[in-house]
Amino acid sequence: SYVLTQPPSVSVAPGKTARITCGGNNIGRKSVHWFQQKPGQAPVVVIYYDSDRPSGIPERFSGSNSGNTATLTISRVEAGDEADYYCQVWDNSSDHQVFGGGTRLTVL
Amino acid sequence: QVQLQESGPGLVKPSETLSLTCTVSDGSISNYYWNWIRQPAGKGLEWIGRIYASGSTNYNPSLKSRVTMSIDTSRNQFSLKLSSVTAADTAIYYCAGEKSTRSWFDPWGQGTLVTVSS
Repeated sequence: SYVLTQPPSVSVAPGKTARITCGGNNIGRKSVHWFQQKPGQAPVVVIYYDSDRPSGIPERFSGSNSGNTATLTISRVEAGDEADYYCQVWDNSSDHQVFGGGTRLTVL
Repeated sequence: QVQLQESGPGLVKPSETLSLTCTVSDGSISNYYWNWIRQPAGKGLEWIGRIYASGSTNYNPSLKSRVTMSIDTSRNQFSLKLSSVTAADTAIYYCAGEKSTRSWFDPWGQGTLVTVSS
């Protein structure tokens, strides 16, 4: 089955840029969605279809997807961005959804 | 804006069947794929499966033998049954909507904790 690989943790200082990767075989051919989950809350989409941003999500959040890696980029990181982030794709070879293992973003 | 609410027992005994229902409000149940997703404490998200209004389903291969989903469009509800549960099935269970294949999950329910214990 299709596997998405994320780093378990990423740390960044406030005001800097955080990059969270999501690796998968030819993931560039799939549509990748990114979710933010804060403690005790349900996940919230922050990027959909690789690079689209829902209304209400700051422009500091952006996404890209090419080859075997999709990336969520958070610019000018703020303390409030500290959360777990998950990537998600639809695996059309097996007709099921797949989540990455999640990345905990720590703001130093 | 469509809203979702999970309901069901918070405690299930080992080897029994976990049953949850998700109620859809402020929107039609006919326009989405309806998903169940779970998250053990301190761990990541796991997709369980989905059902469409027509009743067609897709299940996670790792759980397929134990999962049954159903939908009641007249009551705007869809349900999950997970049989032969063990402690490993203890998790927060979320229901979530998906507008089309390859789209993202939105909205989500608030989640409900199900504990498997005797």
